[in-house]
Amino acid sequence: ETGVTQSPTHLIKTRGQQVTLRCSSQSGHNTVSWYQQALGQGPQFIFQYYREEENGRGNFPPRFSGLQFPNYSSELNVNALELDDSALYLCACQLAGQETQYFGPGTRLLVL
Amino acid sequence: AQSVTQLDSQVPVFEEAPVELRCNYSSSVSVYLFWYVQYPNQGLQLLLKYLSGSTLVKGINGFEAEFNKSQTSFHLRKPSVHISDTAEYFCAVSGGGSYIPTFGRGTSLIVHP
Repeated sequence: ETGVTQSPTHLIKTRGQQVTLRCSSQSGHNTVSWYQQALGQGPQFIFQYYREEENGRGNFPPRFSGLQFPNYSSELNVNALELDDSALYLCACQLAGQETQYFGPGTRLLVL
Repeated sequence: AQSVTQLDSQVPVFEEAPVELRCNYSSSVSVYLFWYVQYPNQGLQLLLKYLSGSTLVKGINGFEAEFNKSQTSFHLRKPSVHISDTAEYFCAVSGGGSYIPTFGRGTSLIVHP
């Protein structure tokens, strides 16, 4: 049990719609990272938030955006959904300056 | 830039047999290395990690891994597997001032009775 929760667990959207995924940590981890895991692949880094600001970004377009709140919870927003956005979205929490990330159970997004 | 290669996409093994899952990494700086396990329809759970010190690292569920700097490898081993070890295993590397890990594509461990 990592103490990291994500909601919703599953989501179905249609192409062109927008989606918001949520992540929270019970352990006071102040850094949050988001990953996209396509079927049969390893997690791909989307971005990281620390102190409510983006602190690093992977190779994802601007329609992927995020927020971090003062209580360290976080949102991932995806606009103009495409079929290839169908994936498991994972958030990972850690303390700044620490090397270990703790993952939530993920949100499985299906875009039709 | 860092990269991770997991040499086997799938490893079938019989219950109570030993297993080794292979991982090689590429990095120009000192590294932190991780193994995560993912059970069906779940997130990633940390099995073990190498940060520094002893090259043999012991983790949960009877798994261990050995860091070999000269061969840039971090292979995962278990002397006797159980059916419940059937899962996807991911090797990851971070370092060089970044704590954001790069993941391999995963190895599917399939334990047969």
